[in-house]
Amino acid sequence: QKEVEQDPGPLSVPEGAIVSLNCTYSNSAFQYFMWYRQYSRKGPELLMYTYSSGNKEDGRFTAQVDKSSKYISLFIRDSQPSDSATYLCAMSFTGGGNKLTFGTGTQLKVEL
Amino acid sequence: DSGVTQTPKHLITATGQRVTLRCSPRSGDLSVYWYQQSLDQGLQFLIQYYNGEERAKGNILERFSAQQFPDLHSELNLSSLELGDSALYFCASTGGRRSNTQYFGPGTRLTVL
Repeated sequence: QKEVEQDPGPLSVPEGAIVSLNCTYSNSAFQYFMWYRQYSRKGPELLMYTYSSGNKEDGRFTAQVDKSSKYISLFIRDSQPSDSATYLCAMSFTGGGNKLTFGTGTQLKVEL
Repeated sequence: DSGVTQTPKHLITATGQRVTLRCSPRSGDLSVYWYQQSLDQGLQFLIQYYNGEERAKGNILERFSAQQFPDLHSELNLSSLELGDSALYFCASTGGRRSNTQYFGPGTRLTVL
């Protein structure tokens, strides 16, 4: 079993929809939770960063972390065709040298 | 633009050869991380350097090595290349106040024929 599980999709939604992306993890040591967006063959771009449990909002993006359930989510409101990309969750903890452990990524397509 | 640069963008080489990938971190960042992204394994951590010293190792093959120089740029050396080494190689840097956030470069696409 992988430390971080993420549904690979693909997920196809109409423009303007609310998108929900999720990851589960097994290592309770994870403290820092991130979401990256990756366009095809490009470098991952940091979208959201959260420490421990709770919610964080940035524009159309909301990240949620539930450490008790070992479950994190990213919500995208009013989705746009430009949001079409692969979304990667990533996690780390201080004792692990801050190396990131990634999910496999969910491929999202927002259609007109 | 993350501020992390990587060269070259693409590399095509033959099995058994050796290549060097270069990364320049964001200005002021002391830590450099190397990751490999392949279709079957996803993004995997290889190795981390902090201010010239190796700090952490992941699933890095013995044929691979890295170093960080006094000007903080880093190089990843891949030798005795095999077909399975074909992948995207990313470096990321961090070192600011929020040192747990890593910023990725555009990557080097390595193709081994």
